[in-house]
Amino acid sequence: GEDVEQSLFLSVREGDSSVINCTYTDSSSTYLYWYKQEPGAGLQLLTYIFSNMDMKQDQRLTVLLNKKDKHLSLRIADTQTGDSAIYFCAEKGTNAGKSTFGDGTTLTVKP
Amino acid sequence: DTGVSQDPRHKITKRGQNVTFRCDPISEHNRLYWYRQTLGQGPEFLTYFQNEAQLEKSRLLSDRFSAERPKGSFSTLEIQRTEQGDSAMYLCASSLDRAGGYNEQFFGPGTRLTVL
Repeated sequence: GEDVEQSLFLSVREGDSSVINCTYTDSSSTYLYWYKQEPGAGLQLLTYIFSNMDMKQDQRLTVLLNKKDKHLSLRIADTQTGDSAIYFCAEKGTNAGKSTFGDGTTLTVKP
Repeated sequence: DTGVSQDPRHKITKRGQNVTFRCDPISEHNRLYWYRQTLGQGPEFLTYFQNEAQLEKSRLLSDRFSAERPKGSFSTLEIQRTEQGDSAMYLCASSLDRAGGYNEQFFGPGTRLTVL
């Protein structure tokens, strides 16, 4: 079945770049997502990438996809304290209803 | 429309009781999803509807769980004979299905269930 793996914790200093990594197993994944979850809040979609793309940039966010290795990363430039949250990687097939999520990476930004 | 809403936000119940949660999706969205999230884990898929039809159920959805979406709008998730292991955040999401195309899932704030 589908599986999505992420490292659990990342700590960076304010102003540095953060890179959160994710691996997935389903070769039929078509859409790959990054969500942000802050304490007491719901899941917020940050960005997504189609499986036929290598890179997507959206302001401070850069997503890199290595489809051969089934590896996805999210880079946050100039990380701010407000970026402290849990970041979830998720994948979805073309005709699938569900998304499969990783267990999240807790990003801590130190001033 | 202000997004996906869920009610109640918190529910505390005793083991063995039945509980029901409600989800109101974004009004034009035809797909509605239920996920469960326990502490330290990502959301796990439970079931989803396209309009009123329940198209997929996870093996996590035991026979104590039932979900309905009778008119293709709001949905309810009922848990019968609750167990302590049911304690979790229950998340609802909705999307507008475009066949073969991208459809973003919008998540509600969740209902936190505590079973004592």
